Amino acid sequence: DAGVTQSPTHLIKTRGQQVTLRCSPKSGHDTVSWYQQALGQGPQFIFQYYEEEERQRGNFPDRFSGHQFPNYSSELNVNALLLGDSALYLCASGTGVPNTEAFFGQGTRLTVV
Amino acid sequence: AQSVTQLDSQVPVFEEAPVELRCNYSSSVSVYLFWYVQYPNQGLQLLLKYLSGSTLVKGINGFEAEFNKSQTSFHLRKPSVHISDTAEYFCAVSDRGNTGKLIFGQGTTLQVKP
Repeated sequence: DAGVTQSPTHLIKTRGQQVTLRCSPKSGHDTVSWYQQALGQGPQFIFQYYEEEERQRGNFPDRFSGHQFPNYSSELNVNALLLGDSALYLCASGTGVPNTEAFFGQGTRLTVV
Repeated sequence: AQSVTQLDSQVPVFEEAPVELRCNYSSSVSVYLFWYVQYPNQGLQLLLKYLSGSTLVKGINGFEAEFNKSQTSFHLRKPSVHISDTAEYFCAVSDRGNTGKLIFGQGTTLQVKP
């Protein structure tokens, strides 16, 4: 049983560019949440998707957007990248809303130069 | 709004010694509580969770935690640590009615020395 898979594992982008990160939830899961983890910090909630809709959002600017597809996979898009967007981006999946357990992927390490 | 405070940023301990990682939370609503572990360059793995019932929760790898509502704490303990327990540990809280959003503490680095 594959767990939560994220791609790519690492990428480097230039300030001002746009980036798309991808997440496939654990089999049987239909909810996807995204988190940003800056170096030396705890993860911070970006947003959650369920039934292809953004259900709730953390304190992140509109440069951060997402999408959930009918197969429950999800994308995180970040526009106009800033140096401060450099972080580990984590995807977590679960079943339904509310759910009582989040399974995390290995993350995508984004470096903005 | 909820918040989580992990009282120690680093905890050094010798192998086979007991350890406690401290976590306090703040919330105006009932919460679920979690402990996650993160090994270098990896994602988060759930160690244990408190949803309801017994306040003593047992998790994987010999870890346990106790929910104390009056002190709003959820401290993680292990009676005897191994070198392989060296990692970053995160305490997290979520609103019972809004569990898609986890609020994490800043993390505690557990350093197990031989």
